[in-house]
Amino acid sequence: GIQVEQSPPDLILQEGANSTLRCNFSDSVNNLQWFHQNPWGQLINLFYIPSGTKQNGRLSATTVATERYSLLYISSSQTTDSGVYFCAVADRGSTLGRLYFGRGTQLTVWP
Amino acid sequence: GAVVSQHPSRVICKSGTSVKIECRSLDFQATTMFWYRQFPKKSLMLMATSNEGSKATYEQGVEKDKFLINHASLTLSTLTVTSAHPEDSSFYICSAREGGIDTQYFGPGTRLTVL
Repeated sequence: GIQVEQSPPDLILQEGANSTLRCNFSDSVNNLQWFHQNPWGQLINLFYIPSGTKQNGRLSATTVATERYSLLYISSSQTTDSGVYFCAVADRGSTLGRLYFGRGTQLTVWP
Repeated sequence: GAVVSQHPSRVICKSGTSVKIECRSLDFQATTMFWYRQFPKKSLMLMATSNEGSKATYEQGVEKDKFLINHASLTLSTLTVTSAHPEDSSFYICSAREGGIDTQYFGPGTRLTVL
């Protein structure tokens, strides 16, 4: 299956700081999603972004499909941004859309 | 839109009993549903993929007789953990996908504790 690597594994920030999370993947994809898992375990969809750039408030994401990586930017971080951020991809050969998850980035934002 | 619910959110059961977890797509028709398991501080591990009206496809190493999956309608899939044991304690999460659309939407998860 496709390999997904996320970095850094842990990130500790002061409120107000900016951060960049990275996701590398080993093969061509037709789906790439970023999720935020909150402390209660709910996975919240942030972006569906197999290619290109999207922005939603303080969050933005860019996927460079030809170079097999995606970046998630968090600006002016808040304590509520804390949690685990997952990147997940589905390879081009998948008809059912099976997602492969990275190990996540644990983000802690201190007030 | 695109809401997926799971029930129950938490369940505690005795060893040897069976537990059923429901996953529902509330505002769309889910042609494909997925069941994941997540251990503490770990990533999600896909257990099985189910299409409405057909048998589930299980990932390697997942016992199909232990984790029974039924996708009887376009809005409901169930996971039954049969003869549960303490090692089955985990966080189980479902996701759903509408036909022809790549985006998956995830339920809030079910925390299973087997005593």
